[in-house]
Amino acid sequence: GAVVSQHPSWVICKSGTSVKIECRSLDFQATTMFWYRQFPKQSLMLMATSNEGSKATYEQGVEKDKFLINHASLTLSTLTVTSAHPEDSSFYICSALGVGNTQYFGPGTRLTVL
Amino acid sequence: AQSVAQPEDQVNVAEGNPLTVKCTYSVSGNPYLFWYVQYPNRGLQFLLKYITGDNLVKGSYGFEAEFNKSQTSFHLKKPSALVSDSALYFCAVSPNTGGFKTIFGAGTRLFVKA
Repeated sequence: GAVVSQHPSWVICKSGTSVKIECRSLDFQATTMFWYRQFPKQSLMLMATSNEGSKATYEQGVEKDKFLINHASLTLSTLTVTSAHPEDSSFYICSALGVGNTQYFGPGTRLTVL
Repeated sequence: AQSVAQPEDQVNVAEGNPLTVKCTYSVSGNPYLFWYVQYPNRGLQFLLKYITGDNLVKGSYGFEAEFNKSQTSFHLKKPSALVSDSALYFCAVSPNTGGFKTIFGAGTRLFVKA
């Protein structure tokens, strides 16, 4: 139980284009999902908290207009990286909040912007 | 400020020997405590958590963790390491103050040598 999927697992795009990453909780409903960014050999950096049916809460320093988050249903949250640039290249990981404050993580999406 | 410390960047253990990965935290109240494991290019997998009760928590893959309130520590242990345990381990703390944010440690890379 408590499986979270992410799609795509990797994506390469040109600078200036937008990329959408999906995060789905497959066997449970998640009112709250989180989006993280992980740089090589570093810990996870929380970007935003996504709440179903309401606006996401962004961490300080994360551009809301650049990283658009939509949590339209209890099983799906999407992160859209708009006008991507090479510095946005990273490993993006989502998680869904389960019982007892336990987060269940997706497998991650590696974004490479050329 | 709330924080989680994993004092060792790397832990090296011979297969069959016991392993310990250390974690201390500075969070007020009675937080929830977690351990996650990350394999290369993958998301995090939940190992175990402590909420309340017995200080020794057993989790997946033979791992266990010992909660010590006076030392504010939550060290991860395994009696006999396997080569397949080699991965990146994250300690995480959720303050349990009404929000769901989780604070992650920097991670400890475990190498188990055959």
